Amino acid sequence: EDKVVQSPLSLVVHEGDTVTLNCSYEVTNFRSLLWYKQEKKAPTFLFMLTSSGIEKKSGRLSSILDKKELFSILNITATQTGDSAVYLCAELSYSGAGSYQLTFGKGTKLSVIP
Amino acid sequence: GAGVSQSPSNKVTEKGKDVELRCDPISGHTALYWYRQSLGQGLEFLIYFQGNSAPDKSGLPSDRFSAERTGGSVSTLTIQRTQQEDSAVYLCASSSLPVSAGSTDTQYFGPGTRLTVL
Repeated sequence: EDKVVQSPLSLVVHEGDTVTLNCSYEVTNFRSLLWYKQEKKAPTFLFMLTSSGIEKKSGRLSSILDKKELFSILNITATQTGDSAVYLCAELSYSGAGSYQLTFGKGTKLSVIP
Repeated sequence: GAGVSQSPSNKVTEKGKDVELRCDPISGHTALYWYRQSLGQGLEFLIYFQGNSAPDKSGLPSDRFSAERTGGSVSTLTIQRTQQEDSAVYLCASSSLPVSAGSTDTQYFGPGTRLTVL
């Protein structure tokens, strides 16, 4: 069973639309929830969320974490074609003996059409 | 300033051969991460180095995989007796402080090495 589940798996919207991407995770040894944008090979870091209810914002992108319900959302307002990418969510968890692990979801493929 | 660099950018090898992938993190970054992305799959965490501490190897897919980080800087990921299922893009990332610290939240990725095992 997947530890990090993203939905939807793919999404097609028109320019100017607002989208919400979802990520649910497990609570075991949870430390932080991270969002990435991947257009080609290397993903670009977007946000790291550690505290519940505090929104992080960068331009048209924003994200928030709900540690009670174990999920996070990534919002993109006024979408542009340049927002087309795979958006990855990852859970940082503690794996013991001072070590940490990042577990990724399968991603949401966003396509923004003119 | 220079970002994370990886070499080679592409590597084609025959099944059963050993390969070495190199990562040069951003100067001064103490944390270094290796990931793998296979075709159609998500980004898989492999191994994480923090300074000179022993790495967390729990993500390595088999004992054919090993990684070193010399002097707290350059890292090499070695795959012995490569198999076709090892074909993937191998990504390296670094951050100035470990992501776990919570005091920094920027992890910089290199361009990746595309490994093809024939």
